[in-house]
Amino acid sequence: DSGVTQTPKHLITATGQRVTLRCSPRSGDLSVYWYQQSLDQGLQFLIQYYNGEERAKGNILERFSAQQFPDLHSELNLSSLELGDSALYFCASSVEGQDNSPLHFGNGTRLTVT
Amino acid sequence: DAKTTQPPSMDCAEGRAANLPCNHSTISGNEYVYWYRQIHSQGPQYIIHGLKNNETNEMASLIITEDRKSSTLILPHATLRDTAVYYCIVRGSSGTYKYIFGTGTRLKVLA
Repeated sequence: DSGVTQTPKHLITATGQRVTLRCSPRSGDLSVYWYQQSLDQGLQFLIQYYNGEERAKGNILERFSAQQFPDLHSELNLSSLELGDSALYFCASSVEGQDNSPLHFGNGTRLTVT
Repeated sequence: DAKTTQPPSMDCAEGRAANLPCNHSTISGNEYVYWYRQIHSQGPQYIIHGLKNNETNEMASLIITEDRKSSTLILPHATLRDTAVYYCIVRGSSGTYKYIFGTGTRLKVLA
């Protein structure tokens, strides 16, 4: 168990809809990362937050947004969903503040858009 | 873009050492080498990381060449449960906080 909790585990929704994925980082970790993994594809970095502030952005679509709250949990919002958004979405956390802090991943949310 | 190059796949006999290579020829002086693995569709699991010295933990050993342009992850006695995709990543404080995953090496441990 990595200590990173993601909810829900599975989500099925229709095209055009909006969903929110939630991530609770490990206790003490200030940084949260979001990744997308489509079927048989690699992990695509979406965005990183550190202590409530956006720190780095990857290939995140404009239809997607994220935030990190004062209690350090994070939410990834996906809107105007398309079939191609079906994927596993992973959250990871790290202590950060040290250049060599590793990431610890949750078990992901599997999103299916029909 | 990923800054590492790994073979797409490897096989290893159960009980033997699995040696997974990674090329990171553009690594800069303050960048660390990290290894993760992903078993089926689970969340990636951190294995080990290092800067320039060899490192060992309960899961694996990491051997980094003296010029730091390549490294090898060693699983000393591979088991069937080590079948996974292994990712090598470099990351440091050189202006980016992104962990960029490449395509990794799909290791298959054979009975």
